[in-house]
Amino acid sequence: DGGITQSPKYLFRKEGQNVTLSCEQNLNHDAMYWYRQDPGQGLRLIYYSQIVNDFQKGDIAEGYSVSREKKESFPLTVTSAQKNPTAFYLCASSIQGRGSYEQYFGPGTRLTVT
Amino acid sequence: DQQVKQNSPSLSVQEGRISILNCDYTNSMFDYFLWYKKYPAEGPTFLISISSIKDKNEDGRFTVFLNKSAKHLSLHIVPSQPGDSAVYFCAASPNAGGTSYGKLTFGQGTILTVHP
Repeated sequence: DGGITQSPKYLFRKEGQNVTLSCEQNLNHDAMYWYRQDPGQGLRLIYYSQIVNDFQKGDIAEGYSVSREKKESFPLTVTSAQKNPTAFYLCASSIQGRGSYEQYFGPGTRLTVT
Repeated sequence: DQQVKQNSPSLSVQEGRISILNCDYTNSMFDYFLWYKKYPAEGPTFLISISSIKDKNEDGRFTVFLNKSAKHLSLHIVPSQPGDSAVYFCAASPNAGGTSYGKLTFGQGTILTVHP
């Protein structure tokens, strides 16, 4: 079955620690995305990558970092510089170009930092 | 600066009736619009889209209308079914090509509840 895997589903960390969220896809998509969702707000784009070894900042990239060393993987690191890291994080993928608006989402990771 | 707004946090509809979900945008550069549906504990799934060169797009029970002059779009679901109960997000993009491909701006979402 093709799809997007995010692990773990729930993640707990102490303040000041970096944490990496996993995202893997076997849809053979070139483009991948990271979003954050907070209560009462829509999804906000953190980072996106249209091709391996390249990525762009989204609307709220501060305090986050990504890598795209493999087509199927796009891990997101939430650094200690992120002022309000507790949120629901969603990873997505799509084909490139004009089809990239139809994005396929993973089930999400809920991160709680205390 | 909320460029895509869904002003109704929730909507309740009787089964078989029409559901109308609304979305407003402020960025005149947006010219491609989408609706996504999200069930609890799952990621959103793509539902339907519309390009600015059209004012209507239909897919089965789902129709999206776009009014560019009013910067407004709406999603109509007819007839509504209990399985349609979910959070609906509208999203928009400038469709400017290059690195802007796939760069979506989402609204806050509207919780639709369809009662049997």
